[in-house]
Amino acid sequence: DAEITQSPRHKITETGRQVTLACHQTWNHNNMFWYRQDLGHGLRLIHYSYGVQDTNKGEVSDGYSVSRSNTEDLPLTLESAASSQTSVYFCASSESDSLLQETQYFGPGTRLLVL
Amino acid sequence: ILNVEQSPQSLHVQEGDSTNFTCSFPSSNFYALHWYRWETAKSPEALFVMTLNGDEKKKGRISATLNTKEGYSYLYIKGSQPEDSATYLCAFNAGNMLTFGGGTRLMVKP
Repeated sequence: DAEITQSPRHKITETGRQVTLACHQTWNHNNMFWYRQDLGHGLRLIHYSYGVQDTNKGEVSDGYSVSRSNTEDLPLTLESAASSQTSVYFCASSESDSLLQETQYFGPGTRLLVL
Repeated sequence: ILNVEQSPQSLHVQEGDSTNFTCSFPSSNFYALHWYRWETAKSPEALFVMTLNGDEKKKGRISATLNTKEGYSYLYIKGSQPEDSATYLCAFNAGNMLTFGGGTRLMVKP
């Protein structure tokens, strides 16, 4: 069955370290997204991609970067982790639809703690 | 930044009660309104995608309505069951990305 996976599921790191969170989907979806979820804020968009070599900044992109070298993967990198980036991170994907009227399918989430 | 608001933030009901909650969003540049159900320790799961003013969608005991002119959508749950306990998220689509509301956390007591 097609699916979307994230790894690791839990991560503890130290301030200043570079961290990469993986997202892999097997639906062959063109669109992929990274969100963070914090108390009182719901889901906030960090970065998104509409296809290979395409990346775009979302609402809270500072301190994060993504790259899209193939259809299946959109890794999220925290260049220099900060305590404010302690959060739960969700990856999502959807079929190619320029108006984004398609449902987004979410991964299981990665819980990141920055000490 | 688009303002998408959900109310109430949380709701406690008894099993068998019917309930509803609201998602408010900008009435301009509307492309779609999404509803998701999010159980604790799981991923958000899609309930509905609504695109047309006056849309009504139904899945079992859950239904939703859409008013794009005034910028709101209602989600209704008829005869709530404990397994309906979850956070219900709406997301507004202005054509390039989804902006999520803060969610309504529903707790159904047996």
